[in-house]
Amino acid sequence: DGGITQSPKYLFRKEGQNVTLSCEQNLNHDAMYWYRQDPGQGLRLIYYSQIVNDFQKGDIAEGYSVSREKKESFPLTVTSAQKNPTAFYLCASSFGTSGNNEQFFGPGTRLTVL
Amino acid sequence: QQQVKQSPQSLIVQKGGISIINCAYENTAFDYFPWYQQFPGKGPALLIAIRPDVSEKKEGRFTISFNKSAKQFSLHIMDSQPGDSATYFCAASMRGGTSYGKLTFGQGTILTVHP
Repeated sequence: DGGITQSPKYLFRKEGQNVTLSCEQNLNHDAMYWYRQDPGQGLRLIYYSQIVNDFQKGDIAEGYSVSREKKESFPLTVTSAQKNPTAFYLCASSFGTSGNNEQFFGPGTRLTVL
Repeated sequence: QQQVKQSPQSLIVQKGGISIINCAYENTAFDYFPWYQQFPGKGPALLIAIRPDVSEKKEGRFTISFNKSAKQFSLHIMDSQPGDSATYFCAASMRGGTSYGKLTFGQGTILTVHP
């Protein structure tokens, strides 16, 4: 059953803690993306990766970090430097330069800072 | 230059009516315009997409109209149903360079279809 999985579905963090959100895909996609969604603001791009071991900052990368050691995985770390991390985080993937730009989204992780 | 502006923010339609959501973009390098549908607590799902070489694309009750000269595109939902109640996002991206595949999203439209 192909798709994108994100875990956990809900995550609670105390202020000052780093947390890592998981994103895995078995669609054989080259490109992967992380978005943040806040009410009334649409989706904003945090980081993206077009190939393994390479990634670029999106529009709101400050306070976040990523790695892309495997094609299937693109974890996002929300660091204590992120001042307002409470949001809904969405991971997506696509075939990248070999495809038609269509991005498929995971079910999301809702992060709440206590 | 990278913005995509979407309107209205919210829309209420009666069952059987037509829902229309509009988007405008600035960057003429954009060449892929998808619409996504998102239900509460779920990830967005691709609904329909268009490239600028056509002015209209229809899939079932969903139609994209595209006006390249005005840099605008819109989603029309015919015979709207209560099950269509969701948030709709327009987006745009371009091919080429380091920006390949990066989607720029509109702010979203919350559609409510009353029975």
